[in-house]
Amino acid sequence: ETGVTQSPTHLIKTRGQQVTLRCSSQSGHNTVSWYQQALGQGPQFIFQYYREEENGRGNFPPRFSGLQFPNYSSELNVNALELDDSALYLCASSSSPATSSYEQYFGPGTRLTVT
Amino acid sequence: AQTVTQSQPEMSVQEAETVTLSCTYDTSESDYYLFWYKQPPSRQMILVIRQEAYKQQNATENRFSVNFQKAAKSFSLKISDSQLGDAAMYFCAYGPGTASKLTFGTGTRLQVTL
Repeated sequence: ETGVTQSPTHLIKTRGQQVTLRCSSQSGHNTVSWYQQALGQGPQFIFQYYREEENGRGNFPPRFSGLQFPNYSSELNVNALELDDSALYLCASSSSPATSSYEQYFGPGTRLTVT
Repeated sequence: AQTVTQSQPEMSVQEAETVTLSCTYDTSESDYYLFWYKQPPSRQMILVIRQEAYKQQNATENRFSVNFQKAAKSFSLKISDSQLGDAAMYFCAYGPGTASKLTFGTGTRLQVTL
C-alpha cells in the first residue's frame, strides 16, 4: 500500500508568481484535502476534492484553486503569490468525504517560501 | 464555527514519566470526532489517537490515552512512560461527523529529557 506523497519537497518563489503543488493520494482513497500550515501554527483547511469536484472550501481567496484527476491525485495552484503564502502545504487523503470517522492520511508536505 | 484551543505552547517531560497535554474545543454539533496528531521534525502528521463523541469510554492506544469530558468540551492527551521518540509537536483536532474537514489547534511542543 503506497502512502500519500507530495512534490516538490521545497519550493522558493517570488511574490506575484504562480505555483503548483502536487499530491498523490493513498491507494484506494478518493478524497483529498489540502491544508496550509504557517510557521508555529496548526494546519488550516484550504479545500477538499472528491471524485474530481471541489467538495468544501475554507476561508481562502479564489487565487487558491485545485484539481483532482481520475486517479484521485490532486494539484493545488496558487496565483499571485504573496509573502503570507509562505507555509507548509499538507495534503491528506481519505476514503470518504462524508465523515471524519474515516482516518485522514497526511503527506510529508511541501515547504513554500515566497520572497 | 468550530474552534480548538491548546493553551500549552510547550511542555517538557522526563523519560519514563507521564505528561498530559490539554485541549478544549467549541462546537454546537452533537456528532463529531476528536483527534490527537503528532508532527515530528519530518513534518508528516501521524494520528496518535481518536475519540468518537458518542462514546463515553475514553480511547486508549498503548501508552497514549485521552480524558474526554464532553460537557466541559475538554480533550486531554496523557502519555505514559514517555520515550525520546515522543518528542514532537502535538496537535489536537476536531472533525465533524458530517464531513472530513479537520480543525486544528495551534499545537504543543513536547520535549522529552533524559
